[in-house]
Amino acid sequence: GENVEQHPSTLSVQEGDSAVIKCTYSDSASNYFPWYKQELGKRPQLIIDIRSNVGEKKDQRIAVTLNKTAKHFSLHITETQPEDSAVYFCAASKGYGQNFVFGPGTRLSVLP
Amino acid sequence: EAGVTQSPTHLIKTRGQQATLRCSPISGHTSVYWYQQALGLGLQFLLWYDEGEERNRGNFPPRFSGRQFPNYSSELNVNALELEDSALYLCASSLEKLFFGSGTQLSVL
Repeated sequence: GENVEQHPSTLSVQEGDSAVIKCTYSDSASNYFPWYKQELGKRPQLIIDIRSNVGEKKDQRIAVTLNKTAKHFSLHITETQPEDSAVYFCAASKGYGQNFVFGPGTRLSVLP
Repeated sequence: EAGVTQSPTHLIKTRGQQATLRCSPISGHTSVYWYQQALGLGLQFLLWYDEGEERNRGNFPPRFSGRQFPNYSSELNVNALELEDSALYLCASSLEKLFFGSGTQLSVL
């Protein structure tokens, strides 16, 4: 079955710097890769996603890149702000009506 | 449009008792997923239901069970509660994208 690894497990950056979180997946049939942000005491929220027919997707300060050959995808946050501090989870799915496999999470701290 | 709703918000039980957690998916979503999140840890996959059938289950003992009703709502049952079952139980629903409810905080004393 699918296995998703995520690195680093914790990440501290200064406000204004960039943060990068990387995930690798094992099943080449996976074709949908969402990212979730979970603030303390709240539900995981979908922040960006990418499908396997696209190499990069941007939404304001966040972007996701996908390398299908290497089976890895990354979340990039630019100009980080204290409100970006949260746990971020990556996931992989084979698409419509399929299961989601999550990475173990990355705790991001943005220091003012 | 209403999101994924879960009840109750908090549940306190004693060891050996049974707990029932409920989830209503987003209207039109046929898949419901259950995850366990222990304090400060990751999302551990429990169960996946689609169109009323169990599609997959995670590495949890049989005392964790559930079902999905014809209206696609779902129930998670945990029998013979143990102290380590204390966690946040998250339900999510999907048609293609996955959306989470706010969870049920289960405390086993």
